[in-house]
Amino acid sequence: GENVEQHPSTLSVQEGDSAVIKCTYSDSASNYFPWYKQELGKRPQLIIDIRSNVGEKKDQRIAVTLNKTAKHFSLHITETQPEDSAVYFCAAKEGRGSTLGRLYFGRGTQLTVWP
Amino acid sequence: NAGVTQTPKFQVLKTGQSMTLQCAQDMNHNSMYWYRQDPGMGLRLIYYSASEGTTDKGEVPNGYNVSRLNKREFSLRLESAAPSQTSVYFCASNPSGGLTYNEQFFGPGTRLTVL
Repeated sequence: GENVEQHPSTLSVQEGDSAVIKCTYSDSASNYFPWYKQELGKRPQLIIDIRSNVGEKKDQRIAVTLNKTAKHFSLHITETQPEDSAVYFCAAKEGRGSTLGRLYFGRGTQLTVWP
Repeated sequence: NAGVTQTPKFQVLKTGQSMTLQCAQDMNHNSMYWYRQDPGMGLRLIYYSASEGTTDKGEVPNGYNVSRLNKREFSLRLESAAPSQTSVYFCASNPSGGLTYNEQFFGPGTRLTVL
């Protein structure tokens, strides 16, 4: 099955700085890469996603890039704010076989934005 | 539209007790999932149901059983709870897990402690 690695596990930045979280995946057939944000005590919520036929996607201060050749994708948050503090999870969706459609999650990155 | 709901929110069990976690969605989604979340481990899939009438094992199915009661409801049963099953359990659903690129919607979670 798919294996998703996520780095770093913790990230601290000053308000206004940028934050980058990186993930790698193992299965070249994976075709969909969502990012979830989880605030303390809350459920994970989708913040942005990218399909395998797209290299980059942006939504206001958040962007995701995908390098299919290297099998890695990254989340970029610019002009960080204290409310960006949360755990962020990357995931990869398997694209073939009996486990078609399953999401495999990274272990998460605890982002802390200091005012 | 309540989305994905889970009951109970919190539960404390003694080792060896059994219980069922309930999940329901009102979005007419085909696919439903049960995850467990442990510190530093991300979200790990326990069982999933690609469509009504089917269930499959995920990464960590041992000690659990599931029932897809109908299209709306997907329950998770612990037959003989163990301290290693202390975790936060999330149910999720999406329209169709297969060849589509759909968001997985998560329930609010059940925090389970096994003493």
